[in-house]
Amino acid sequence: DSGVTQTPKHLITATGQRVTLRCSPRSGDLSVYWYQQSLDQGLQFLIQYYNGEERAKGNILERFSAQQFPDLHSELNLSSLELGDSALYFCASSQGNEQFFGPGTRLTVL
Amino acid sequence: AQRVTQPEKLLSVFKGAPVELKCNYSYSGSPELFWYVQYSRQRLQLLLRHISRESIKGFTADLNKGETSFHLKKPFAQEEDSAMYYCALSGSGANNLFFGTGTRLTVIP
Repeated sequence: DSGVTQTPKHLITATGQRVTLRCSPRSGDLSVYWYQQSLDQGLQFLIQYYNGEERAKGNILERFSAQQFPDLHSELNLSSLELGDSALYFCASSQGNEQFFGPGTRLTVL
Repeated sequence: AQRVTQPEKLLSVFKGAPVELKCNYSYSGSPELFWYVQYSRQRLQLLLRHISRESIKGFTADLNKGETSFHLKKPFAQEEDSAMYYCALSGSGANNLFFGTGTRLTVIP
């Protein structure tokens, strides 16, 4: 077990809604990364936080936002949801170069 | 822009046969290359990275800068190697990963 936890495991919601995904990194890891895995786009990097500050941005839509709190857990907020946002959302944490992944949150938008 | 290409979506080999999962990349600087693996019902985990030059579970991968490739190889495949394999790249000065689309390896007993 890598120690990265994500909640919830599954989320089913409707188009236009807003959801929050939560990630707790491994103890001591300062960096948190968010990835989206969809059938057509594969695994895509969304955003990285380091010790509360945004460090790098990938293919993250403007409807999506994230933050990292003082206790280092992170939340990914997805708003105005569309059918195409249905995907598996992974969080990873790291201290150095190796990233440790969480089990993912499966989001289904109906 | 960076890009990671895994040309095979599916790959099947017999137990004991050699296996090679292909990965090609494009990146203007000096990237760091990784192989991640996801076994059934488990989370994504690091298999190996090019800078450590190690063999993990019998797998090796050599970075070929001339061919911009980082193919994953194992001389004798085992049933427990059946999994999804992702090649990934991180750019110089950055830790976020760019993934290929993955190859599902099935080892036939």
